Amino acid sequence: KAGVTQTPRYLIKTRGQQVTLSCSPISGHRSVSWYQQTPGQGLQFLFEYFSETQRNKGNFPGRFSGRQFSNSRSEMNVSTLELGDSALYLCASSSGPGTWEQYFGPGTRLTVT
Amino acid sequence: AQTVTQSQPEMSVQEAETVTLSCTYDTSESDYYLFWYKQPPSRQMILVIRQEAYKQQNATENRFSVNFQKAAKSFSLKISDSQLGDAAMYFCAYRGNAGNNRKLIWGLGTSLAVNP
Repeated sequence: KAGVTQTPRYLIKTRGQQVTLSCSPISGHRSVSWYQQTPGQGLQFLFEYFSETQRNKGNFPGRFSGRQFSNSRSEMNVSTLELGDSALYLCASSSGPGTWEQYFGPGTRLTVT
Repeated sequence: AQTVTQSQPEMSVQEAETVTLSCTYDTSESDYYLFWYKQPPSRQMILVIRQEAYKQQNATENRFSVNFQKAAKSFSLKISDSQLGDAAMYFCAYRGNAGNNRKLIWGLGTSLAVNP
């Protein structure tokens, strides 16, 4: 069974631009969670989607948004990029929001210049 | 709010020796999960071991075991017979089991070096 895939793996953007990251969960998994990893703040929860609905949201500004499609693939969008948005963005999939086991993708490394 | 603290930013161990990584957490919930994840240089997050709060028995996975002290809110990871491939960042994480608490809350990690 294929694992969680994230595209692109690396991205360089300029301050003020917007970016869209994609995550394809493991086949059959319907829940996708997003995390931001930075050296200073560590890993922080962004949001979780299940059946195309946002089920949970972390403490991030409205510039961070996401969505989930009917095939469970998820995208997250960051608008008006700031230098502090430079991070590794990790996606994790699970069979549902009540299950504890999450499988992580390799991440997207975003650099904002 | 729940918090997870890893007080050891860096640790090292000799190959074949045993090392213990510390983690404490704070929560008012009674039903939750605790995890140790490993992140090697490839950045792929890998689950090492999990512990359900309602279970008194400490979890064990091959060379990895935990010491779960619920009253003390302590959750340490012991790695026995350390191998070079164990070198990585290790993160302790907490997950509640109710509503909006079903999200992973992470410690800042411990960088483990394994010396040959």
